[in-house]
Amino acid sequence: NAGVTQTPKFQVLKTGQSMTLQCAQDMNHEYMSWYRQDPGMGLRLIHYSVGAGITDQGEVPNGYNVSRSTTEDFPLRLLSAAPSQTSVYFCASSSDSSPLHFGNGTRLTVT
Amino acid sequence: AQSVTQLGSHVSVSEGALVLLRCNYSSSVPPYLFWYVQYPNQGLQLLLKYTSAATLVKGINGFEAEFKKSETSFHLTKPSAHMSDAAEYFCAVSSSGGSYIPTFGRGTSLIVHP
Repeated sequence: NAGVTQTPKFQVLKTGQSMTLQCAQDMNHEYMSWYRQDPGMGLRLIHYSVGAGITDQGEVPNGYNVSRSTTEDFPLRLLSAAPSQTSVYFCASSSDSSPLHFGNGTRLTVT
Repeated sequence: AQSVTQLGSHVSVSEGALVLLRCNYSSSVPPYLFWYVQYPNQGLQLLLKYTSAATLVKGINGFEAEFKKSETSFHLTKPSAHMSDAAEYFCAVSSSGGSYIPTFGRGTSLIVHP
């Protein structure tokens, strides 16, 4: 079972560049979410989705876009990368009150 | 609204000593509570979860947590620490009021001394 697949594992961007972090799950979970992890800050919610076609903002949504055209996929787009977006990004999926299934993370550096 | 507070960004114990990691939550509706662990350079994995079936929850690797509604707490304990327990621990809360999307605490780094 693949679970949650996140790509790429590492990425270096220059300020102003755009990119998309991919996330796919094969568990037919209706809930998907993106978090960023920074030292001392825990995991902060960027955007989430409660089903195909439905997305909403989390705690730190600025500078990021998402879409959910299918149940399986939930890509995260950085519109114009900034050094403040240097972080580790985790995608997760779940089924209502069940625990999150996490991807392996993407370590992003913006120079 | 829901939120989590983890007291102590770092907790240091000796091998064999009791581990106590504190978590307090707030939620306007009945919560679901979780502890996750992150070993160095790895992703997060579930330690245990509370979903109202029992107030004392047993998890993997000898960890357990007790839900205390009156104290809005969900502290994580282990009777005897091992060197392999050194990791970052995160408490999280979710609820129907938050669309079942968990809110995480800032994490507690557990340091185990020989």
